[in-house]
Amino acid sequence: EDKVVQSPLSLVVHEGDTVTLNCSYEVTNFRSLLWYKQEKKAPTFLFMLTSSGIEKKSGRLSSILDKKELSSILNITATQTGDSAIYLCAAGGTSYGKLTFGQGTILTVHP
Amino acid sequence: GAVVSQHPSWVICKSGTSVKIECRSLDFQATTMFWYRQFPKQSLMLMATSNEGSKATYEQGVEKDKFLINHASLTLSTLTVTSAHPEDSSFYICSAIGRHTGELFFGEGSRLTVL
Repeated sequence: EDKVVQSPLSLVVHEGDTVTLNCSYEVTNFRSLLWYKQEKKAPTFLFMLTSSGIEKKSGRLSSILDKKELSSILNITATQTGDSAIYLCAAGGTSYGKLTFGQGTILTVHP
Repeated sequence: GAVVSQHPSWVICKSGTSVKIECRSLDFQATTMFWYRQFPKQSLMLMATSNEGSKATYEQGVEKDKFLINHASLTLSTLTVTSAHPEDSSFYICSAIGRHTGELFFGEGSRLTVL
């Protein structure tokens, strides 16, 4: 059975801090790992990673995949209160779009 | 950009009634749509894969007679929760793969509360 595990489950920081969220996966015929940010409604897409060692960056957020370790990290630098959300990691195999989600990391950024 | 619309965004119903949730791709055709369920403070759990013109494929443990999925056109999939019970109260989210671009988009979700 495919499995995705995220850690920590929750994190409380202050504005300006840097955070690292972890995701490990066990997925048959792994193809891609995705990161999403979820606030009140449905998840919004952050990154899709398919190749090991290549960092993807978007503003203060960056992510990298390690296929050898079956893991990925999501970094957020200079956190802001608007970064408070649930961050979901999902892994997909050969059936594109069929994703296994991790439990999520609840990030709270205090002013 | 491409949008996936869900309707209703929230619904309250009495126990024993049936509720239909629509997932519509607004400006693209979607050959495949997925239905997820999310309980409070939990992650998204895939319920079923819906392919246009064919029967849905349900994940293990999901009752297909209770959660009826219909994907009658390239832009619409529906999830009907039959004889709803309070334990069916959840956030239901759909996603769709664009037929031509292959991109994956999520709907805004539908919150179901069964009294």
